[in-house]
Amino acid sequence: GAGVSQSPSNKVTEKGKDVELRCDPISGHTALYWYRQSLGQGLEFLIYFQGNSAPDKSGLPSDRFSAERTGGSVSTLTIQRTQQEDSAVYLCASSLRRGYREQYFGPGTRLTVT
Amino acid sequence: EDKVVQSPLSLVVHEGDTVTLNCSYEVTNFRSLLWYKQEKKAPTFLFMLTSSGIEKKSGRLSSILDKKELFSILNITATQTGDSAVYLCAVDDTNAGKSTFGDGTTLTVKP
Repeated sequence: GAGVSQSPSNKVTEKGKDVELRCDPISGHTALYWYRQSLGQGLEFLIYFQGNSAPDKSGLPSDRFSAERTGGSVSTLTIQRTQQEDSAVYLCASSLRRGYREQYFGPGTRLTVT
Repeated sequence: EDKVVQSPLSLVVHEGDTVTLNCSYEVTNFRSLLWYKQEKKAPTFLFMLTSSGIEKKSGRLSSILDKKELFSILNITATQTGDSAVYLCAVDDTNAGKSTFGDGTTLTVKP
């Protein structure tokens, strides 16, 4: 595709349920990043992938959060046993490789935990 | 821990005004500093700065980096209502592989 796509665009879930967020990066981009943005805040780094491996998982807020990337392309961010404080916009970005100029961002998934 | 602080947090100006947005940072192994514009959801890239004193310019926007004093500024001249957005500053750490973002400056340009 022409840009980074994310799905779903909006997700409302009940506290305690698991959710999966999907990111399709730009074709050929080897680096993929997940961020979280709470209302009125800057971007909080969660995790990045170089290819299928995730050298840096330090940003994941708790062990309820996990992410994987398969085939060097699509990535899934999973949040288990969601809590209200997980409510935020989850943004995915990709770049040609780590540290290469800018990251191209997807439109985000707005997660609301009720 | 890497840290990015932006100021002011918000700014309201009128069309035609010139604004300067500030970004100061602390990072262990500096690779680059980036500016993004966020209007609704997805931030869009403005500039990437790696060297001190070299101004990057794009139309009415320009930016410069000072690696000695650890800050960058983003200037917007002759502001327009379409410049209204959140402007995000981020620094890349060579070793960590991640970008650390500031909380952003919300710019509102009134007609």
